[in-house]
Amino acid sequence: DAKTTQPNSMESNEEEPVHLPCNHSTISGTDYIHWYRQLPSQGPEYVIHGLTSNVNNRMASLAIAEDRKSSTLILHRATLRDAAVYYCILYGGSQGNLIFGKGTKLSVKP
Amino acid sequence: GAVVSQHPSRVICKSGTSVKIECRSLDFQATTMFWYRQFPKKSLMLMATSNEGSKATYEQGVEKDKFLINHASLTLSTLTVTSAHPEDSSFYICSASTSSAYNEQFFGPGTRLTVL
Repeated sequence: DAKTTQPNSMESNEEEPVHLPCNHSTISGTDYIHWYRQLPSQGPEYVIHGLTSNVNNRMASLAIAEDRKSSTLILHRATLRDAAVYYCILYGGSQGNLIFGKGTKLSVKP
Repeated sequence: GAVVSQHPSRVICKSGTSVKIECRSLDFQATTMFWYRQFPKKSLMLMATSNEGSKATYEQGVEKDKFLINHASLTLSTLTVTSAHPEDSSFYICSASTSSAYNEQFFGPGTRLTVL
């Protein structure tokens, strides 16, 4: 299974942008890059996904490197509610299951 | 978006008893459901994958006779922890995916099991 590497933790100030990096140097051509987040004592929540082009939705933006070996999740204005563990996952769709790594624990300071 | 529910959200039981956890897709048909387990401060670990009407596929190291999974309909899967022990105490999370080519997964809110 293709793996991802993320920093264990990051800190941000409220209302400032946050850039969460993810390395996936062994990504295959059919792997989508997914981001989920998990708030304390809750199930994971879908954030965004992409294949090759940068993506934007109401929650975040996803910037994908041209060689697809890395990506960055961008929260444009962090709020206290964004404090969570963020998981970057490669998902080939046909493989069926998501494989969660350790993720990045994001702390947001008021 | 698609909604997945779990019941109960919390359960406390005595050692040796069995506990059933339900996972329901509320507004879509889930051809595949997944069960994960998460210990404190750890990541989610996949336990098993179940397709409607067929036997679940268990991950290595997960005892199929201890963690019984039934996926009897396209909207319901159940996980039964049989003869629970304190080491089974964990956060159990299900997810469901549709039959679309993309197979996006939607997660339930989780069930906190505490075995005394």
